[in-house]
Amino acid sequence: GIQVEQSPPDLILQEGANSTLRCNFSDSVNNLQWFHQNPWGQLINLFYIPSGTKQNGRLSATTVATERYSLLYISSSQTTDSGVYFCAVNFGNEKLTFGTGTRLTIIP
Amino acid sequence: DAGVTQSPTHLIKTRGQQVTLRCSPISGHKSVSWYQQVLGQGPQFIFQYYEKEERGRGNFPDRFSARQFPNYSSELNVNALLLGDSALYLCASSPLAKNIQYFGAGTRLSVL
Repeated sequence: GIQVEQSPPDLILQEGANSTLRCNFSDSVNNLQWFHQNPWGQLINLFYIPSGTKQNGRLSATTVATERYSLLYISSSQTTDSGVYFCAVNFGNEKLTFGTGTRLTIIP
Repeated sequence: DAGVTQSPTHLIKTRGQQVTLRCSPISGHKSVSWYQQVLGQGPQFIFQYYEKEERGRGNFPDRFSARQFPNYSSELNVNALLLGDSALYLCASSPLAKNIQYFGAGTRLSVL
């Protein structure tokens, strides 16, 4: 079946470090979004990136649609970056299929 | 502009009861989707409505139902609650059926 897998599942870093989160998907996608879920459960939009590269401050993302993966880069991590990061894809139907998530913990 | 708003924020019910959750989309958005997120997992798709018509349904039992009103707000109803229905219920809106989705803060439902 259709799958969206993220790695690593857990990541613990010191404040100031850089990180790369990966999302692999099993089929061609129409839509790919990266979210940060804060401790209160709010899903915050980071990027809408079905292909190409985008940057927003310390965050950037790259999707290589032909190779079916996306990467989220976080530079100079801050404690407020802690939380769970999800990628979610749309395979041409109405729903977003979420990945397994990466739990990021930034230690002061 | 206001984002996606959901009410209530928290809810406690007992097994067998019925619950109604509400969602108001971002102004101008005509599509509303509902997702269930149980602890430790990613959100799972329940329904999508676009222009007041159901456009998609996830793998959930018939106890789950939804509707969209003329002002594009939406309600999710769950009948005969089970302990396993305890979860964070998220609503998302988008301007078109397959466009970028924006999520509300969710309703946390506890079934005792």
